[in-house]
Amino acid sequence: AQSVTQLDSQVPVFEEAPVELRCNYSSSVSVYLFWYVQYPNQGLQLLLKYLSGSTLVKGINGFEAEFNKSQTSFHLRKPSVHISDTAEYFCAVTMYSSASKIIFGSGTRLSIRP
Amino acid sequence: GAVVSQHPSRVICKSGTSVKIECRSLDFQATTMFWYRQFPKQSLMLMATSNEGSKATYEQGVEKDKFLINHASLTLSTLTVTSAHPEDSSFYICSAMRENIQYFGAGTRLSVL
Repeated sequence: AQSVTQLDSQVPVFEEAPVELRCNYSSSVSVYLFWYVQYPNQGLQLLLKYLSGSTLVKGINGFEAEFNKSQTSFHLRKPSVHISDTAEYFCAVTMYSSASKIIFGSGTRLSIRP
Repeated sequence: GAVVSQHPSRVICKSGTSVKIECRSLDFQATTMFWYRQFPKQSLMLMATSNEGSKATYEQGVEKDKFLINHASLTLSTLTVTSAHPEDSSFYICSAMRENIQYFGAGTRLSVL
């Protein structure tokens, strides 16, 4: 079975500071990895994805994530955050063999302080 | 590309009435769509998988007769909450799959009085 762990439920950061949101996964098979962002009262927006190839993936809004197979991690980073980045962030995985089954982490609330 | 539209964004209804929520893939065809429910400060809970032209597959504990799903075309799936009660009040989100990636709608906030 697959599982996703987001180690921090809340991350407060000052504006223009760097941020890292941690995500670890567990799976006995190969997986696709995703980060989604959810703004208040909205659906989920795809930030970035790792399907194959380069382990460093760049997404929208200046975010990037690095797939580390040995540590089974897919941490999300941004070098300088903005007030508008305040949102809930979800890490997720799907299996190669059954991409319709998506497993979400519990989410990390990123709050940006001026 | 890969835009999913969900309508309405918010609905308030009286207890006992039925509410229909639409989910459309605007720029691609989706044989598979998904319906989720999200409780406050929690992650998404999969309710059912909607397959075009066939019956939906419901997750354990989800009442089929309460949450009716229809996927009559490759771009439209609907969720009907029948005889809604206050405990059905929640945030409902749909998604559509394209090339192994799920794209989500903006969600529907249902409030049952």
